[in-house]
Amino acid sequence: GAGVSQTPSNKVTEKGKYVELRCDPISGHTALYWYRQSLGQGPEFLIYFQGTGAADDSGLPNDRFFAVRPEGSVSTLKIQRTERGDSAVYLCASSFRGGDADTQYFGPGTRLTVL
Amino acid sequence: GESVGLHLPTLSVQEGDNSIINCAYSNSASDYFIWYKQESGKGPQFIIDIRSNMDKRQGQRVTVLLNKTVKHLSLQIAATQPGDSAVYFCAESIGGSARQLTFGSGTQLTVLP
Repeated sequence: GAGVSQTPSNKVTEKGKYVELRCDPISGHTALYWYRQSLGQGPEFLIYFQGTGAADDSGLPNDRFFAVRPEGSVSTLKIQRTERGDSAVYLCASSFRGGDADTQYFGPGTRLTVL
Repeated sequence: GESVGLHLPTLSVQEGDNSIINCAYSNSASDYFIWYKQESGKGPQFIIDIRSNMDKRQGQRVTVLLNKTVKHLSLQIAATQPGDSAVYFCAESIGGSARQLTFGSGTQLTVLP
């Protein structure tokens, strides 16, 4: 079956611009996660959704970052007033329930470059 | 400007040999651990997991060992194949829920022909 998909695969923007990154989770998965991966490092947790609500947004670096999941399926990560330090690969993952030892399946990521 | 990433630990093995990739974790409260494989340009791919009430777990060609005393995790890959070349990450979580994963810095495995 289809895995987690993310669009666009690459996004180049200018400093100060607004960007939206989209994630389509595996069908039927109620839990969705966003991570950010900088070059040469492991992914860093940003936010976790259970259904439509953000159950844990403790990883969002500041208030320029915001994510929504209005219908409990597709999620959009929004970054306002982008900065060069926001350049990274943004990974989305989903899991069946978000519960105990529930495997997270990752998408291919969106590579964001802020010039 | 130029961005400088961290230099990943590297491991080179001959095809057919066994590989051992190590990971030290820092949070003694972590009770669920996962190994992921990441190929260039792709997202992390789940390999195997282990709960803190276990010391060892085996999968197909892979074994994970957990030593809670020294907070150490290892991944053993038997009969390493060229397709195993990738960056391997260990990840940990608290409460067994695997909701917020904390990843290590990764190890680059290269399989030599």
